[in-house]
Amino acid sequence: AQSVTQLDSQVPVFEEAPVELRCNYSSSVSVYLFWYVQYPNQGLQLLLKYLSGSTLVESINGFEAEFNKSQTSFHLRKPSVHISDTAEYFCAVSDAGGTSYGKLTFGQGTILTVHP
Amino acid sequence: DAGVTQSPTHLIKTRGQHVTLRCSPISGHKSVSWYQQVLGQGPQFIFQYYEKEERGRGNFPDRFSARQFPNYSSELNVNALLLGDSALYLCASGRGTSGTLGYEQYFGPGTRLTVT
Repeated sequence: AQSVTQLDSQVPVFEEAPVELRCNYSSSVSVYLFWYVQYPNQGLQLLLKYLSGSTLVESINGFEAEFNKSQTSFHLRKPSVHISDTAEYFCAVSDAGGTSYGKLTFGQGTILTVHP
Repeated sequence: DAGVTQSPTHLIKTRGQHVTLRCSPISGHKSVSWYQQVLGQGPQFIFQYYEKEERGRGNFPDRFSARQFPNYSSELNVNALLLGDSALYLCASGRGTSGTLGYEQYFGPGTRLTVT
């Protein structure tokens, strides 16, 4: 069985400050990792993913995450946040193999609030 | 290109009733997965379907069922509704194929179900 732990339920920061949202996972098999963002009253949007290759992955809006296999972590970072980054962020993990391509295990979510 | 669409957007039902939720995947995607997101929590996997066959099932009672149609759209059915079934129901579509791209899941806006 897999599990995902997001270590902070809420993270308040000021605009233009850096932020890190922490995610740790537990799995007995190799995994693929994802970060999704959810704005109020909306569905989930895929923010970035680690499937293979470089352990550092980046999104088009300045977020990055690094897959650390030894620490079983996939923390999300942004060097300078904007008001528009205010949302809930979910870390998710999937088995890297088998046929359950659609089964994602999610963390509890981290609410990022950016203050002016 | 159209994204994942879900209907209805909102739904209010009474305990004991039955509900059907609908999802249309992204064009070209053959896999549909369903998730339940209770307020304040991360999404929980309910089902995955690929090519009209169930590929995965989460830890949900038999009151929950689903099916996928030849055009890859899907229905989620819930019988004998309980107050605890109140949640946002999310549909995700994916290629469903082997290889890393098969693991990317794209979510619809969700159906907000309220059971009174």
